[in-house]
Formats: sequence, C-alpha cells, structure tokens
Amino acid sequence: AQSVTQLGSHVSVSEGALVLLRCNYSSSVPPYLFWYVQYPNQGLQLLLKYTTGATLVKGINGFEAEFKKSETSFHLTKPSAHMSDAAEYFCAVGSSNTGKLIFGQGTTLQVKP
Amino acid sequence: DGGITQSPKYLFRKEGQNVTLSCEQNLNHDAMYWYRQDPGQGLRLIYYSQIVNDFQKGDIAEGYSVSREKKESFPLTVTSAQKNPTAFYLCASSLHRDLNTEAFFGQGTRLTVV
Repeated sequence: AQSVTQLGSHVSVSEGALVLLRCNYSSSVPPYLFWYVQYPNQGLQLLLKYTTGATLVKGINGFEAEFKKSETSFHLTKPSAHMSDAAEYFCAVGSSNTGKLIFGQGTTLQVKP
Repeated sequence: DGGITQSPKYLFRKEGQNVTLSCEQNLNHDAMYWYRQDPGQGLRLIYYSQIVNDFQKGDIAEGYSVSREKKESFPLTVTSAQKNPTAFYLCASSLHRDLNTEAFFGQGTRLTVV
C-alpha cells in the first residue's frame, strides 16, 4: 500500500527565509512523487514531480525537491520565501502498479513580512 | 481552452437527498479521479477510473457512486447513505494510469448539507 506523511500541518517563515516542507512516503514499488499547491477555494496546481532520472527536481516559482530513496523522503524547499508563497501544499505519491494517486494531509505555509 | 470543469461551484443539499457533481475534461485523458477534502485531512480518494466503462473504489467510497460512460465525463453522486457529505470535492484527470504525467484538477465543488 502507498501512503504519504507530511510533517507539520502549519509552517511559518519570514519573508526571505528558507522554506522547507517535509514529505515522507511509503510505497512497495518505485514511486512517482508530486508536490501541489492550493490557494483558497481553488483546485490544485502542480509545482514539480519526480518520476525517474535526476533526483533533484526543479519546479515552478523557485521550488525544488530532492528524492531520497534511502530516507523515503521528498522534501520541498525554496531558498527565499515570498509573500505570494502563502498557500497549502500537498505531497502525493502514485504508481503505475495501482493507478492510484494518494495525497498527504497538507501543510499550510504562512509567510510573515 | 483545455481543462477540467466542475459544476456547480457551490451546491446545497437537504438531508436524505442524492446529488450529482459534474466533472468534464477535454484533455483526452484516460484516467479520472474524485477526491474529498476536509480541513486537516488532505485529499482522500473516493473513486478513480483508468478507462471508459471501468472504475475502482478509493479509500472512502462508501456513500458515493460514479459512472464513466464517456471518456470526458466522470460524474460523482453523493447518496443519502453518505453520513457526512459536507466537504470540498475535487475532480482530477491524468493522461493515463501510469501516473508519470501530472494530474490536472478542476476548481472544486463545495457541497453543504442543510
């Protein structure tokens, strides 16, 4: 079975500070991993994805994530937070084996001026 | 424009009534998904479909039903058997079940039981 755990339901950073959102996954087959962002009362938008190949993945808006198989992690980072980054972020895992896309509980990012 | 359209955006239902949420996509995607979002619980998978005329239960299928008679349409019915239907419902699609491509999401339907 697949599962995703996001550590910390709320993260607060100052504008210009490093953003780190944590995601650990469980999968019995090679996973596909995704980070999505959601603004209030809207759908989800893809930030970045890992399927195969390079383990450091760069996404939109300056975000990146590194797939670490040994740690079963896929943490999301951004060197310098911007006010517009305030939103809810979801990590997700999928596999071709099941066809299912499973999401974590989400992390709300607050950016303080 | 290509995308996923969910309708209506807001929906009110009386207790004991069935209600159907619409999801249409013109992306020519094979796979479609329905999720329920509640505060603090993330997105939970209700049903998913990898091909026309086929669908599978997700993690919280009880009280819900779906159909996939056309590739572009995947309606979700919330039945009276769903004890706590008030939630934000999101529909998504992806090119195929392999999931090495991203899922695209609709704007959601907020269902409230009155």
